[in-house]
Amino acid sequence: AQSVTQLDSQVPVFEEAPVELRCNYSSSVSVYLFWYVQYPNQGLQLLLKYLSGSTLVESINGFEAEFNKSQTSFHLRKPSVHISDTAEYFCAVSYRGFKTIFGAGTRLFVKA
Amino acid sequence: SQTIHQWPATLVQPVGSPLSLECTVEGTSNPNLYWYRQAAGRGLQLLFYSVGIGQISSEVPQNLSASRPQDRQFILSSKKLLLSDSGFYLCAWSPEGDTQYFGPGTRLTVL
Repeated sequence: AQSVTQLDSQVPVFEEAPVELRCNYSSSVSVYLFWYVQYPNQGLQLLLKYLSGSTLVESINGFEAEFNKSQTSFHLRKPSVHISDTAEYFCAVSYRGFKTIFGAGTRLFVKA
Repeated sequence: SQTIHQWPATLVQPVGSPLSLECTVEGTSNPNLYWYRQAAGRGLQLLFYSVGIGQISSEVPQNLSASRPQDRQFILSSKKLLLSDSGFYLCAWSPEGDTQYFGPGTRLTVL
């Protein structure tokens, strides 16, 4: 069965430190890959996505993720985090059909 | 631009009571529509999805049902709520096979 694994359930980090949130997926076919962010009591918002082309994708607020086909990974990184980045982050995979599979989420907690 | 609405925002219901949550999308036609549940501290569980009016696919057998009476309206229902139905319910829409766009959610507490 197809699956998405987010390797860390919680990631505490100090402000201005770098962070990496890890995501692995299982697939033998082409996929679309996404990272979503959820702030408390809100819906999910798209952070960035990979559909095709360059394997490195960036968001407008400094996050980036790299599609690694050989390792079936799509890790999310930011070189310097802010307090406002505290949220839950979901990795997701679409197998180009009607459904998207979401990981269990990683709670990023940025400390002052 | 497209907008997705959900209501109510919060709901407290007794066990055994009925449920109706509504989701509407503006600014697009023939979207794929989805209902998810997010239990406290857990990821998203896909409950239902729909690719057109009257077409509903259920992912998890349970106490809930869904209907799509109009192209851009998606309703989640239950005849009798259980305690385990508590959670954060999210509606989403998507162009086929691409990004999903989520509504603000409904916080349901069953007492």
